Amino acid sequence: DAEITQSPRHKITETGRQVTLACHQTWNHNNMFWYRQDLGHGLRLIHYSYGVQDTNKGEVSDGYSVSRSNTEDLPLTLESAASSQTSVYFCASSEKGMSADTQYFGPGTRLTVL
Amino acid sequence: DAKTTQPPSMDCAEGRAANLPCNHSTISGNEYVYWYRQIHSQGPQYIIHGLKNNETNEMASLIITEDRKSSTLILPHATLRDTAVYYCIVRRGGATNKLIFGTGTLLAVQP
Repeated sequence: DAEITQSPRHKITETGRQVTLACHQTWNHNNMFWYRQDLGHGLRLIHYSYGVQDTNKGEVSDGYSVSRSNTEDLPLTLESAASSQTSVYFCASSEKGMSADTQYFGPGTRLTVL
Repeated sequence: DAKTTQPPSMDCAEGRAANLPCNHSTISGNEYVYWYRQIHSQGPQYIIHGLKNNETNEMASLIITEDRKSSTLILPHATLRDTAVYYCIVRRGGATNKLIFGTGTLLAVQP
């Protein structure tokens, strides 16, 4: 069955280190998204991509970057991890071109920055 | 995208119907109503969406008022596994695919 996976599921890192969170989907979806979820804020969009070589900033993109070299993967990089980036990160994907598409979410990565 | 208002929490007895309301009084003509849910520690899960007409699938029913200013998600026979935060989201169709999640309704299904 097609799916969307994230790795690692849990990560502890230190302030200032570079961290990359992986997201892989096997639906062949064009659209991919990264969200973070914090208590009191719900889910907030970090970056998104509508296809290979396309990336866009979301509402909380500072300190994060993404790259899209193929359809299946959208890795999220924290350039220099900060304690404020301790959060649960969700990746999602959706099909392109439909008037009212739905997003399918991965299981999440819990990141702790010490 | 239009803003939504949902009650912060609701209870429902197991086996009974759960009716979750959502107000979206500023919705525009090309905006869809989506419902997602998030079970504790899991990623959000799509439930159902609609534009004008009522919709039903294997998980739930969506009732949209005629003026489209409010909607109700109905889980016909709630089980303990339906305990989750339910998000009502209003979003335009077309090129943009962003979902704006609010704080949702925590539905607690009681045995």
